[in-house]
Amino acid sequence: AQSVTQPDIHITVSEGASLELRCNYSYGATPYLFWYVQSPGQGLQLLLKYFSGDTLVQGIKGFEAEFKRSQSSFNLRKPSVHWSDAAEYFCAVVYPRSYIPTFGRGTSLIVHP
Amino acid sequence: DADVTQTPRNRITKTGKRIMLECSQTKGHDRMYWYRQDPGLGLRLIYYSFDVKDINKGEISDGYSVSRQAQAKFSLSLESAIPNQTALYFCATRDSSEAFFGQGTRLTVV
Repeated sequence: AQSVTQPDIHITVSEGASLELRCNYSYGATPYLFWYVQSPGQGLQLLLKYFSGDTLVQGIKGFEAEFKRSQSSFNLRKPSVHWSDAAEYFCAVVYPRSYIPTFGRGTSLIVHP
Repeated sequence: DADVTQTPRNRITKTGKRIMLECSQTKGHDRMYWYRQDPGLGLRLIYYSFDVKDINKGEISDGYSVSRQAQAKFSLSLESAIPNQTALYFCATRDSSEAFFGQGTRLTVV
């Protein structure tokens, strides 16, 4: 069964610091890869997605992610975090012909002033 | 108007009661999903539907049922609510590219 691992339950960074959130997917065919953000009391908003092609993808709000096939990873990065980035972040995969998004357990980002 | 609308947004119900959560979408997508979110567990799939005549169980379907009344409507029912069904519930639709989520329904079973 397809699975997604987000190893970090919580991450704390200082405002202005760089950020990297980790995501690994189970081995097998390369899935479609997504990062979503959930602000408190809100639904999920798509930050970025990867289907094929350039392995470095740019998203909204200054986020980017890099797909590394050799590591089965799709880590999310931001060079300088803002206090408004404090939220829950979810990595998700969809395997071709599955059509079912599978989510990681989420990483809670805390931003210190 | 939101592309995916869930009603109600918040609900408190008693153990043993039947409750229905409703979802409607204006995206025109065939694929619809119900997830529940619990702290530390992410989103887990309850049921999904790829068209009006198609209903499939997800990983945690026990205690839930669904109805796909039309392409645009996909309802989730708890026939006899229990406290461990207290959670945040999300409806989603998906095209070939990405999923679109409702704002969620926060359900508390007391």
